[in-house]
Amino acid sequence: DAGITQSPRHKVTETGTPVTLRCHQTENHRYMYWYRQDPGHGLRLIHYSYGVKDTDKGEVSDGYSVSRSKTEDFLLTLESATSSQTSVYFCAISDGLAGLGEQFFGPGTRLTVL
Amino acid sequence: AQSVTQPDIHITVSEGASLELRCNYSYGATPYLFWYVQSPGQGLQLLLKYFSGDTLVQGIKGFEAEFKRSQSSFNLRKPSVHWSDAAEYFCAVGGNAGNMLTFGGGTRLMVKP
Repeated sequence: DAGITQSPRHKVTETGTPVTLRCHQTENHRYMYWYRQDPGHGLRLIHYSYGVKDTDKGEVSDGYSVSRSKTEDFLLTLESATSSQTSVYFCAISDGLAGLGEQFFGPGTRLTVL
Repeated sequence: AQSVTQPDIHITVSEGASLELRCNYSYGATPYLFWYVQSPGQGLQLLLKYFSGDTLVQGIKGFEAEFKRSQSSFNLRKPSVHWSDAAEYFCAVGGNAGNMLTFGGGTRLMVKP
C-alpha cells in the first residue's frame, strides 16, 4: 500500500470553528489531492497540488483552503466550518508519470460539523 | 467538461453469479479510465486501469473491464462473484495535465448467499 496517512481519522466540531485536516505521504509523489465523499456524489475534488506551494482549485473549493509547504504534507483547512461540510474527506497522491493519472488514496477522515 | 455516469446505484447478485457494472464517460480526448473499489470504512483501492492498447483489461481479484470507444463505456465484469466482493465501486476518467480524476457516483454491490 502507498504510504499515505490522514489525521485526524474522526473529528466532531461545531459550526463556525476552524478545522485543519492533514495528509502525509512517504512516497515523494508530486501530486496531492483532497476529495470529499458524499452519498450519491462519488468523490468530488476540492483542491489539488502539483508541487510545493503550487495548488489549484477543484470542483467544490468554496469554503476550503489548502497549503503545501513540504512535499510530504498537504493540509486542508475549513476556515469556518458549516454543517454542509460534514463529509468524509480523502487525500490522494499521484506521481504523475506520463500523465497516467493513477491515484492512491488515504484511509479518509470523517468530519461531523454540528 | 469530463463526466462519468454509473447508472446503477445499487446492484444485488447471488454469490457465484456473474456481474457487470456499467460506466459511461464523457471526455474530449483519449481517456484514461479506472475502476476503484471501496470496502466499508476504507479508502479506495485500484482494481484496474486502461490507458491504451488492448481494450480488455485485467485487474485484481478476478475483475476485468472492456473499453468501448464507440459506446463511451468502460464496464466492469466478474464471472463469479464472491461474498467478499460486496463493496462500493467507482468508475473514474482522467488524462489531463493535472492528473485529475472525475468520479462517477458509485455503485453499491450487495451479494446474496
